[in-house]
Amino acid sequence: AQSVTQLDSHVSVSEGTPVLLRCNYSSSYSPSLFWYVQHPNKGLQLLLKYTSAATLVKGINGFEAEFKKSETSFHLTKPSAHMSDAAEYFCVVRGYTDKLIFGTGTRLQVFP
Amino acid sequence: NAGVTQTPKFQVLKTGQSMTLQCAQDMNHNSMYWYRQDPGMGLRLIYYSASEGTTDKGEVPNGYNVSRLNKREFSLRLESAAPSQTSVYFCASSEERHSNQPQHFGDGTRLSIL
Repeated sequence: AQSVTQLDSHVSVSEGTPVLLRCNYSSSYSPSLFWYVQHPNKGLQLLLKYTSAATLVKGINGFEAEFKKSETSFHLTKPSAHMSDAAEYFCVVRGYTDKLIFGTGTRLQVFP
Repeated sequence: NAGVTQTPKFQVLKTGQSMTLQCAQDMNHNSMYWYRQDPGMGLRLIYYSASEGTTDKGEVPNGYNVSRLNKREFSLRLESAAPSQTSVYFCASSEERHSNQPQHFGDGTRLSIL
């Protein structure tokens, strides 16, 4: 069965410092993986997706993620955090039944 | 360019009342979905519709019904609301269910059941 685990429920960084949000997945075959962002009182917005092409995926707003099959990880990074990055981030895997399986979310706080 | 539109944005119900949440998309997508979001649990799929005229149960369908009215619209109905259904409900759509295309989400309906 497919599953996804977000290793941190909260991450706090200072503005201008790097961001790392961690995600591990479990899948019996090559998965499709996504990162979504949710700002307060808003829906989910796609940041980036991995679909078995390049292992380093670039997304919107300077975010990127690297698919590492050996580590079953798909961590989200950004070199320099901005105040507007404060939000909740969801790692998502597409299951074999085509259902999206969501992680429990990581809340990112950015301090000035 | 509205994308996915959900109405209402907020609603308070009493236990036992009924209500229909509306969702419409203008992207000509075939597949539509209803999720609920609860603290610490991510999003869970309630029902989905792979195409006009078809609907299927997701992970947590009990207490809900859906209607795919046409290609654009997909409604979610609570026949007899219960406090356990207090949640934020999201509608989403995608081009095809069996594809790598992402789902596009509405801004949600915040529902409280007293």
